[in-house]
Order: sequence, then C-alpha cells, then structure tokens
Amino acid sequence: DAKTTQPPSMDCAEGRAANLPCNHSTISGNEYVYWYRQIHSQGPQYIIHGLKNNETNEMASLIITEDRKSSTLILPHATLRDTAVYYCIVKGNTGKLIFGQGTTLQVKP
Amino acid sequence: DGGITQSPKYLFRKEGQNVTLSCEQNLNHDAMYWYRQDPGQGLRLIYYSQIVNDFQKGDIAEGYSVSREKKESFPLTVTSAQKNPTAFYLCASSPWGRVGDTEAFFGQGTRLTVV
Repeated sequence: DAKTTQPPSMDCAEGRAANLPCNHSTISGNEYVYWYRQIHSQGPQYIIHGLKNNETNEMASLIITEDRKSSTLILPHATLRDTAVYYCIVKGNTGKLIFGQGTTLQVKP
Repeated sequence: DGGITQSPKYLFRKEGQNVTLSCEQNLNHDAMYWYRQDPGQGLRLIYYSQIVNDFQKGDIAEGYSVSREKKESFPLTVTSAQKNPTAFYLCASSPWGRVGDTEAFFGQGTRLTVV
C-alpha cells in the first residue's frame, strides 16, 4: 500500500476555499485516494475518494493530477466547523487503510 | 439506524488485566478493522478481518488479540502483554469485493485508560 505525505498544519479564513495537498508518489494503478477528517475525539468521517478522475460531492472536491502522484482536497467555503485533522489515504485491494499524520486545518474567523 | 457501535465509550482497567473492547456493525460489511490512536498521532492498524473466522495482523498487533465468529462483531482484547495500552481505539468496517472503491465507516471510539 502506497504511503502519503501531507503538510502538518494549515490555516484558512472562514468563507474561503481550503486547499489541502497530498503527495502519493508511489501510488499504483489500482489504488484509490481517500480523504477522511477527524474532529477531536471522534471517529474519522469519510469525505471523498477517487481513482484518476476529479470527483465532487456535497462536502468537497478532489483533484487528482494526471500522473496520480498527488491530489488536492478542496473545501469550497470553509466554516469553523471544518476545523479538523484531514487524512489522505491510499487504499488498494488489500483493503487496508493506512493513515499518516494528517493535516490539521484551522479555520479562522 | 445502520452503523458501527463501539462500547463502552470510556473504559478504565488496572494494569495487568485483560480487557475486551466491543465493536458491532449492522451494515452487512464483510471487512472490519481495529485502529489505535495516541494523542496527537494518526491511526495505526492493529488487526483487520476480511471475512468471518479469518483475520490478519496490522502494523502493531503485539499484545492484542481478536476474533471474528460473526459477521457483525469484531471484538478486540487488549492483553496484559501490551506495554502501553492507554489509548483511543477505533473500529471500522467496509464492504469487500471491489475493495479499493468502497469507503470504510468508523465507530466513535473507546478511550481506554489503564492505571
């Protein structure tokens, strides 16, 4: 299973777009990119996932580069409730979700 | 309501005692997982199970044991051999089959404190 690299922390102004980067340079062809977030002392919450096409849902957008070595999670209009730790994970057919350290996003008023 | 239930939310035990954490899901998911989280750290995989009566070690299985006698249940026992058992424990489940394209759902966790 490929590993991921994320910046440890980021700030974002409330109402602005939050762009969270993730590097997964060793990803293989059948591995998906997943994003989860965790608010303090709760279980991680699924946000979005993709293979090679960009994806959008009601929570966020996922932009995956053409070579699939990196991706960006976009929260289009960040709110204070989006303050959390965001995890980028690569998941393959082993089924294992291997979490890294994540990015702590602080949304500021 | 479908989901994953972990119980209890808080658990206290004396050092040297084994303790079992419960995880039940009614999502009809084949795969189930146990993670450990220490303060300020990410999640580390302890054990996972793809099917009833089968399970595999994750990255930090030493001092832990699991069973998967029923599809709905995946209890985790923290044994006295686990040197630093105080942590936040999370259980997750996901469908199997097209494994890569299926998200996992997490319980709300059990915070274990060993004194």
